[in-house]
Amino acid sequence: SQKIEQNSEALNIQEGKTATLTCNYTNYSPAYLQWYRQDPGRGPVFLLLIRENEKEKRKERLKVTFDTTLKQSLFHITASQPADSATYLCALDMRGNTPLVFGKGTRLSVIA
Amino acid sequence: DTEVTQTPKHLVMGMTNKKSLKCEQHMGHRAMYWYKQKAKKPPELMFVYSYEKLSINESVPSRFSPECPNSSLLNLHLHALQPEDSALYLCASSPAGQRLNTEAFFGQGTRLTVV
Repeated sequence: SQKIEQNSEALNIQEGKTATLTCNYTNYSPAYLQWYRQDPGRGPVFLLLIRENEKEKRKERLKVTFDTTLKQSLFHITASQPADSATYLCALDMRGNTPLVFGKGTRLSVIA
Repeated sequence: DTEVTQTPKHLVMGMTNKKSLKCEQHMGHRAMYWYKQKAKKPPELMFVYSYEKLSINESVPSRFSPECPNSSLLNLHLHALQPEDSALYLCASSPAGQRLNTEAFFGQGTRLTVV
């Protein structure tokens, strides 16, 4: 069966450390993978998109990797801040006219 | 304008009421979506409109009725809902083209409570 798993429901880290979130999938063949941030009671906000032929993508303090052999994406936030506390969703983006499929998300808490 | 605007932000309705959720974007996006999200769950796709035509209906009960009057507007008409339909309803848009998803822009959502 098809599954998307984000490593843990919740992750607590100390301010200044690097947060690493994991997204694993089975029985999907995404052409792209997207990461979103969602704050409580608000809509998701797009962060980064990475293509299947890209190994790594960076944007300011964010870094995403995509390993299609391992069927895994890692999402890193370096020098984390309390303002980074939110739920982070990965989304698989297939070929053609197929909508995004979202993972359940990881709730990140950055402690000062 | 890079926003997707949803109204109302909150809605409480009885099981016999009829109400509508509204969504508007002025980014020229040609794909618009309705998602339903329950607490601590991922967004679940309900409907997709591509170039103002309904292209995907994820087996949603007929008490939810979508409408796309023009390329900037998306409505979701609600009738005879059940308490389990209480959720955050999210509208999103994306540029469309060869594939539906590039980056999706989400609205702030409508928090719906059915009593």
